[in-house]
Amino acid sequence: DTAVSQTPKYLVTQMGNDKSIKCEQNLGHDTMYWYKQDSKKFLKIMFSYNNKELIINETVPNRFSPKSPDKAHLNLHINSLELGDSAVYFCASSQASGHTEAFFGQGTRLTVV
Amino acid sequence: GNSVTQMEGPVTLSEEAFLTINCTYTATGYPSLFWYVQYPGEGLQLLLKATKADDKGSNKGFEATYRKETTSFHLEKGSVQVSDSAVYFCALNPSGSARQLTFGSGTQLTVLP
Repeated sequence: DTAVSQTPKYLVTQMGNDKSIKCEQNLGHDTMYWYKQDSKKFLKIMFSYNNKELIINETVPNRFSPKSPDKAHLNLHINSLELGDSAVYFCASSQASGHTEAFFGQGTRLTVV
Repeated sequence: GNSVTQMEGPVTLSEEAFLTINCTYTATGYPSLFWYVQYPGEGLQLLLKATKADDKGSNKGFEATYRKETTSFHLEKGSVQVSDSAVYFCALNPSGSARQLTFGSGTQLTVLP
């Protein structure tokens, strides 16, 4: 059973399009995240979200928005895609309390052409 | 703020060589410390963790000791294998109410047969 699953694994799209990446976790965690990994493997947190609080990294453009239909899902919507949005996006989840680790999905490689 | 500094890669070793990847951190309070591994084309997986000073995390022959006096969490393995080739990330989870992992920049390890 996959703990954190995200779809699609690969996404190729044109500049200016709007796209979504879906994420689901079956671990019963109360907090979910989106990370962006650039071509140099550097990881940057984009959002941290539970049912009470959304924490947004202030450097993330407002073209990116998380949508959480329920506790087990956190989808990422991206409007007006730009070439610089090309990267690998990772969803993750964890328990909010305690010094716990995050569990990651397999990643979505987004290519904007 | 919180930060993690890893030794820069890439690191190339021969099979059965000794591995050390340095990691130092800056954080307030008493963070938990983690090493994650990312195999090619995959998401991040937790390799090991330590939640308090002098704890030693270990897994798959890898070890790291939480050294508060030197604010370090260096990763070591006595004899690497080709299958250990991956990107290794040091990370911290700050104490208190924050729920975000802070990652280092990652270290690419290549093990040659």
